[in-house]
Amino acid sequence: QKEVEQDPGPLSVPEGAIVSLNCTYSNSAFQYFMWYRQYSRKGPELLMYTYSSGNKEDGRFTAQVDKSSKYISLFIRDSQPSDSATYLCAMYMRTGANSKLTFGKGITLSVRP
Amino acid sequence: DTGVSQDPRHKITKRGQNVTFRCDPISEHNRLYWYRQTLGQGPEFLTYFQNEAQLEKSRLLSDRFSAERPKGSFSTLEIQRTEQGDSAMYLCASSLRTPFTDTQYFGPGTRLTVL
Repeated sequence: QKEVEQDPGPLSVPEGAIVSLNCTYSNSAFQYFMWYRQYSRKGPELLMYTYSSGNKEDGRFTAQVDKSSKYISLFIRDSQPSDSATYLCAMYMRTGANSKLTFGKGITLSVRP
Repeated sequence: DTGVSQDPRHKITKRGQNVTFRCDPISEHNRLYWYRQTLGQGPEFLTYFQNEAQLEKSRLLSDRFSAERPKGSFSTLEIQRTEQGDSAMYLCASSLRTPFTDTQYFGPGTRLTVL
């Protein structure tokens, strides 16, 4: 079993839809949780960063963390064609010196105009 | 532009050749990470530096791979005797580690194709 599992894709939604992207993880030592967006043939771009359980909102994006269930989600409201990209969940622990990120496989989202 | 930069963006080489990639981190960042991403997968950790010291290497980093960060600024990743399985996107990220955070910012990547 991989440390981080991400819902398989691809996902196609109409413009304006609410999108829910999800990841589960097995290592309870993970403390910090991120969502990155990656456009085709580009590097990942940091979207959201959370530490504690609960919700964090930034514009149309909401990141949710449930540490008791080892489950994180990213919600996108009023989705736009420009949101079409691959979304990667990532996490790390601060025990020890290395803060290497462990990523999910990514899910490709397509928002249809 | 003050983000992470990588050079070259694309590299095509023949099997058996050596290649070297460069990463310039965000200037005040003390940490630099290398990851590898293959098609349809998330990035996988290769190695990282705190200033000029290489502190950890993944078992993915075979002895054909070497990374340096002289003077704690830019970093290079060299692959010797390339193999077709080395074809991937090589990503560099940098961060400023504080007691509270270590958020990593990625560069655009170097896409390597080994023929």
